[in-house]
Amino acid sequence: DAEITQSPRHKITETGRQVTLACHQTWNHNNMFWYRQDLGHGLRLIHYSYGVHDTNKGEVSDGYSVSRSNTEDLPLTLESAASSQTSVYFCASSERRSSYNSPLHFGNGTRLTVT
Amino acid sequence: AQSVTQPDIHITVSEGASLELRCNYSYGATPYLFWYVQSPGQGLQLLLKYFSGDTLVQGIKGFEAEFKRSQSSFNLRKPSVHWSDAAEYFCAVGAGNSGGYQKVTFGTGTKLQVIP
Repeated sequence: DAEITQSPRHKITETGRQVTLACHQTWNHNNMFWYRQDLGHGLRLIHYSYGVHDTNKGEVSDGYSVSRSNTEDLPLTLESAASSQTSVYFCASSERRSSYNSPLHFGNGTRLTVT
Repeated sequence: AQSVTQPDIHITVSEGASLELRCNYSYGATPYLFWYVQSPGQGLQLLLKYFSGDTLVQGIKGFEAEFKRSQSSFNLRKPSVHWSDAAEYFCAVGAGNSGGYQKVTFGTGTKLQVIP
C-alpha cells in the first residue's frame, strides 16, 4: 500500500543546530505539505510544494526551508533550531491541488524537542 | 481569510452513547469542509467532506456531519460511540487561492474520551 514515511519519529536537538526531517511518499503525488501541530493551534502549514523544484511558503515558514528534488521526498530543514520550534511535525501529500476530490494523506509525524 | 473554531477541547462520552462534536467556520463563500481523525501516535485520516449538494454527509466509521449555512456550522455526529473512537478530531475548511491550491485551515481539535 502507498504511504508517507517520516523519519525520525522522535528527535532531540540543541538550540542553534541545523535539523532535517525526512518525508518520503509512495503515492506518487505531486503535492506535498509540511505542518506543525501545537496545543491550542491545531495544524499550521509551514511549506508546500506542487512538484519537483517547486516550493512555497505557508503561514509559519520563518526558520524553515524545504527542497524538492524528486517526486517522492520533501525534507524539512530547520536552519538554526529554536525552542519555539519544539513541536510535532506532519508531512502530507495530495493527488490534486483541489482538496475536495483529493484529500490530504498524512505521515505519522516527527516529535521534535529543541533544548 | 478562513478560520475554524472547535469550542470543545475535551469531550467524554460513555460507550454506546451518541456523540456530537461542534465546528464553526468563517469563510465568505461556500467552503469545502472536512473532518479528520487522529489516533494516538498517528497522522490524520479523513472522515468525511462537504462541498455542495446534500447538507448531510456520511463518512467512514459510521460518522456523519451536517452543514448548516445559516449557523456557519459543520457538526460531526455518531449515534453510538465505540471505545475505538477515542481520538482527536479536527474540523477543517478549504478555500482556493490564486495559485489554485485549496488552502486547508484546521481547527484546534477536540479530544474524545470514551468510558465503559
